[in-house]
Amino acid sequence: NAGVTQTPKFQVLKTGQSMTLQCAQDMNHNSMYWYRQDPGMGLRLIYYSASEGTTDKGEVPNGYNVSRLNKREFSLRLESAAPSQTSVYFCASNGWGTEAYEQYFGPGTRLTVT
Amino acid sequence: QKEVEQDPGPLSVPEGAIVSLNCTYSNSAFQYFMWYRQYSRKGPELLMYTYSSGNKEDGRFTAQVDKSSKYISLFIRDSQPSDSATYLCAMSAEGTYKYIFGTGTRLKVLA
Repeated sequence: NAGVTQTPKFQVLKTGQSMTLQCAQDMNHNSMYWYRQDPGMGLRLIYYSASEGTTDKGEVPNGYNVSRLNKREFSLRLESAAPSQTSVYFCASNGWGTEAYEQYFGPGTRLTVT
Repeated sequence: QKEVEQDPGPLSVPEGAIVSLNCTYSNSAFQYFMWYRQYSRKGPELLMYTYSSGNKEDGRFTAQVDKSSKYISLFIRDSQPSDSATYLCAMSAEGTYKYIFGTGTRLKVLA
């Protein structure tokens, strides 16, 4: 049981390049999330998917798109990277039933945009 | 004003001390309160989860929620150097499945 996995762990992009961050969970969770974490800003929600087939914007969605590929996988795409998107990106998923509000995080992707 | 406020620290304490970490919030709809521990260059790890008001204890950790004051606390007893990390509070309203995080408090426990 690997929990929440993310790829890649590190990435350096030039301004204007595109990339997709991958996330997968093996806990049969319904809800999945993408956050970014910046110094002094805490974790901010980019997009989330309450269930397979649905996605919704969070607090900072501009410049990002997401795809809930299936129940296990939730990807985040940067179409044209900007230096302001330099950050650490975390994927998370929620338990269900009595654990519906327990959120489990992946190890993160450190992205630098030059 | 941010919905969730948390002192960034750093908070330095000697080994064995009782640590008190706190968050305040403004949204009275929050019903679910979580504490996460995050080691440097790692993902957040869920420590405690509390619904509505009251206390919850798990080993050396106690989470406390005071909804009337919109104030939550995490107490760590007999603190250890391995407790040195950033502690994040998070909150959610019923049925939203969206979480608002505090900015985190960095804790250093000195041996």
